[in-house]
Amino acid sequence: DGGITQSPKYLFRKEGQNVTLSCEQNLNHDAMYWYRQDPGQGLRLIYYSQIVNDFQKGDIAEGYSVSREKKESFPLTVTSAQKNPTAFYLCATSRTGANEKLFFGSGTQLSVL
Amino acid sequence: EDQVTQSPEALRLQEGESSSLNCSYTVSGLRGLFWYRQDPGKGPEFLFTLYSAGEEKEKERLKATLTKKESFLHITAPKPEDSATYLCARGIREKLTFGTGTRLTIIP
Repeated sequence: DGGITQSPKYLFRKEGQNVTLSCEQNLNHDAMYWYRQDPGQGLRLIYYSQIVNDFQKGDIAEGYSVSREKKESFPLTVTSAQKNPTAFYLCATSRTGANEKLFFGSGTQLSVL
Repeated sequence: EDQVTQSPEALRLQEGESSSLNCSYTVSGLRGLFWYRQDPGKGPEFLFTLYSAGEEKEKERLKATLTKKESFLHITAPKPEDSATYLCARGIREKLTFGTGTRLTIIP
């Protein structure tokens, strides 16, 4: 069953804690993305990667970090430097990353305790 | 930088009442225009891609059209299951810029 798997579906973060959101894909797509969605706002790009071991900052990268050690995986760490982390986080992929449609995972809702 | 604006923010229609959603952008040019549907608590689901002014695409009760500065998503005789948030996005190189969406509610 091909697709994008995000986990966990719900995540709670304590003050000063780093948390990591998982994103795995078996579509053999080159490009992977992380978006943040807040109520009443559009999706905002955090980080993206077009090839293994390379990634670029999006529009709101501060307080986040990523890695791309394998083509299938693109985990996102929300660090303690991100002061307003409560949001719905979406992972997406595209075949080559060049002005193509995105395929989205089912999302992770992160909340602060 | 391209700005993407969607209107209206929310739209309530009676079942069978046709209407259109708008997506406008500030930078013209040959870029992809993408429409997605998003249900609450889920990731967006791809609907259409348009690249050229004058291009149209259809899927069931939905039809997307494109001009130089805007796109419309026409919904004909909608049903309650068409209720969702509809997002549009513009592509530039490796990134998509999203609008804030139109929340569509179809009342039985």
